[in-house]
Amino acid sequence: EIVLTQSPGTLSLSPGERATLSCRASQSVSSSYLAWYQQKPGQAPRLLIYGASSRATGIPDRFSGSGSGTDFTLTISRLEPEDFAVYYCQQYGSSPLRTFGQGTKVEIK
Amino acid sequence: QVQLVQSGAEVKKPGASVKVSCKVSGYTLTELSMHWVRQAPGKGLEWMGGFDPEDGETIYAQKFQGRVTMTEDTSTDTAYMELSSLRSEDTAVYYCATEEYSGYYLYWGQGTLVTVSS
Repeated sequence: EIVLTQSPGTLSLSPGERATLSCRASQSVSSSYLAWYQQKPGQAPRLLIYGASSRATGIPDRFSGSGSGTDFTLTISRLEPEDFAVYYCQQYGSSPLRTFGQGTKVEIK
Repeated sequence: QVQLVQSGAEVKKPGASVKVSCKVSGYTLTELSMHWVRQAPGKGLEWMGGFDPEDGETIYAQKFQGRVTMTEDTSTDTAYMELSSLRSEDTAVYYCATEEYSGYYLYWGQGTLVTVSS
């Protein structure tokens, strides 16, 4: 089973700052099968990035994804007030397993 | 545009079963690969299982094998997730979500809170 480890657990930043979130896999993950989600309190997760670097429809271009193999990154170039939330990475690996990281909380400093 | 509307909150006693529904609109259920993800209070997302189009079968996370059953009623475009032998650790919000070909979840239901308490 592939384990995804996200870091840091919490990121304290101010609006306008750059956020860099890490997702490390215990085994190599195909870039095609790595996704990122944003979740706000009381809401369902929202897809941000799929295929490691493709933005989902309607996602602002301040969100970008990169990486390959076992190391993936979600970058928010300039934090807007609505970006403070929890972010999860997710992989679709060797069938039949799908796994999520434990999440990174981006909070207002 | 796919919309997923889930059934309402449930309170169950330990040992009981719960069945959560997920009604699809905008597409037919046969066009989708429906999965279920849960989230315990204050915790992260946990994949439970769903339909795998590669195998044409419903697959379950090992953790839930033997306790969970996912079914579909294509006449009403409604998916169901039934979890049995409930324990307090099963208290969580349960989401249905559609899985795209590359394994990511594009559309999500609003979530159903299941509380297990004596």
